Amino acid sequence: SYVLTQPPSVSVAPGQTARITCGGNNIGSKSVHWYQQKPGQAPVLVIYYDNDRPSGIPERFSGSNSGNTATLTISRVEAGDEADYSCQVWDSSSDHVLFGGGTKLTVL
Amino acid sequence: EVQLLESGGGLVRPGGSLRLSCAASGFTFGSYAISWVRQAPGKGLEWVSTISGGGSDTYYADSVKGRFTISRDNSKNTLYLQMNSLRVEDTAVYYCARWVASSGWYGDHWGQGTLVTVSS
Repeated sequence: SYVLTQPPSVSVAPGQTARITCGGNNIGSKSVHWYQQKPGQAPVLVIYYDNDRPSGIPERFSGSNSGNTATLTISRVEAGDEADYSCQVWDSSSDHVLFGGGTKLTVL
Repeated sequence: EVQLLESGGGLVRPGGSLRLSCAASGFTFGSYAISWVRQAPGKGLEWVSTISGGGSDTYYADSVKGRFTISRDNSKNTLYLQMNSLRVEDTAVYYCARWVASSGWYGDHWGQGTLVTVSS
């Protein structure tokens, strides 16, 4: 079965750029979506279709997807960006939705 | 404004049953697929099930197939999840999410979740 692999944690200083990866076999052939989840809150969609932003999501959030790795990039990181970030794809061969294990972003 | 409100969670014994509901408002309910996604304490997100807008197509994670049933009543703008033969490992916060089901599936609006605890 298809597996998405994320690093458990990423740390970055305020104002710097955070990059969170999501690895999967030939993930570049799939559409990748990213969610932000703060403690005690529901997930919020921050990127869909690899690099589209829902309304209300800052331009600091962007995504890319190629080969075996998709990346969520957060520029000019702020304290309020501290959260768990999860990638998600749809495996059309099984009609299953898959999530990565999540990455905790810490703003130092 | 899109709103999704889950209810029906609680404490249940292993082997027991529970029915969750998700009341939707702020959009044309029958035009969207809806999914259930759960999160065990301290763990990541896990997809549970998805139902098409008309209700004719349903999809389940292997971990719940045969035990859980997703359904919807478009006249009441409400989604359901009937959970039978519950196991300790089903303990989680259960979220409903409006699902965009085109070339790639994703949840664009999520409810706040309801906690299901399976314990003896």
